[in-house]
Amino acid sequence: GAVVSQHPSWVICKSGTSVKIECRSLDFQATTMFWYRQFPKQSLMLMATSNEGSKATYEQGVEKDKFLINHASLTLSTLTVTSAHPEDSSFYICSARDYGATYEQYFGPGTRLTVT
Amino acid sequence: EDQVTQSPEALRLQEGESSSLNCSYTVSGLRGLFWYRQDPGKGPEFLFTLYSAGEEKEKERLKATLTKKESFLHITAPKPEDSATYLCAVIGPSYGKLTFGQGTILTVHP
Repeated sequence: GAVVSQHPSWVICKSGTSVKIECRSLDFQATTMFWYRQFPKQSLMLMATSNEGSKATYEQGVEKDKFLINHASLTLSTLTVTSAHPEDSSFYICSARDYGATYEQYFGPGTRLTVT
Repeated sequence: EDQVTQSPEALRLQEGESSSLNCSYTVSGLRGLFWYRQDPGKGPEFLFTLYSAGEEKEKERLKATLTKKESFLHITAPKPEDSATYLCAVIGPSYGKLTFGQGTILTVHP
C-alpha cells in the first residue's frame, strides 16, 4: 500500500520550453501533496504544498510563476516548470499524505529534469 | 525554526558489523519523527514513524528509538543491500511540513 508514482521518470528539454511532471497516489486518496527538489548529495528541499481544490502554498524563495502546481483531484498533482533554464535542472520528487492518516508522507520515485 | 542534524555524515561498515545512526532534533511540539531510506536516483522510502519519547519500532535489521532530543536508527548485522542514504525528518506544529536532516550515507562492505 501507499504507492506514489511520478511521470516521467526523466526528461530532457530545451531552454525556454515548459515541462509538466505528474504525481499520482495509486492506492490511496491524498488531500495534500508536496513537491521537493533535490540537488546532488544534498537533502530534500520543500518547494510547495498543494491541497486538492485549492491554490498551492509555496516556500519562501520559490517562484510561483515558474513552478506551477495544480492539485486537480485526490490522486493527482502536477508540477509545470515554465520557461525552463539550465539552472532548473534537478531531481524533483513529490510526496503524498494519505487522507485520514496521521503525518506520514509517501514519496514518488522522482523525476530527473535536464534543461539544455 | 525546526532543526534536524544527522551524524555521522557517512558510515562505512563491514557486513555483520552493527552500528547506530543519530538524529538530533529541535522542534517545538514534535508531532512525529520519521526515518526514510533513499537509494541513489530514487525517492525516499518510508521506514518508521515515532511519536513520543520511549517509543521503539523494528523492521528486519533496523530498529528506531526516540528520546526527547534525538532518535537512533540501530542497524544489526547489516548486509550490503542495506547500503543507502538514511534520512531523518520531523514534523512540528506546521502540520505536515517535513524538516529533513542532511542524511547519513551508509556503505556496507561484504
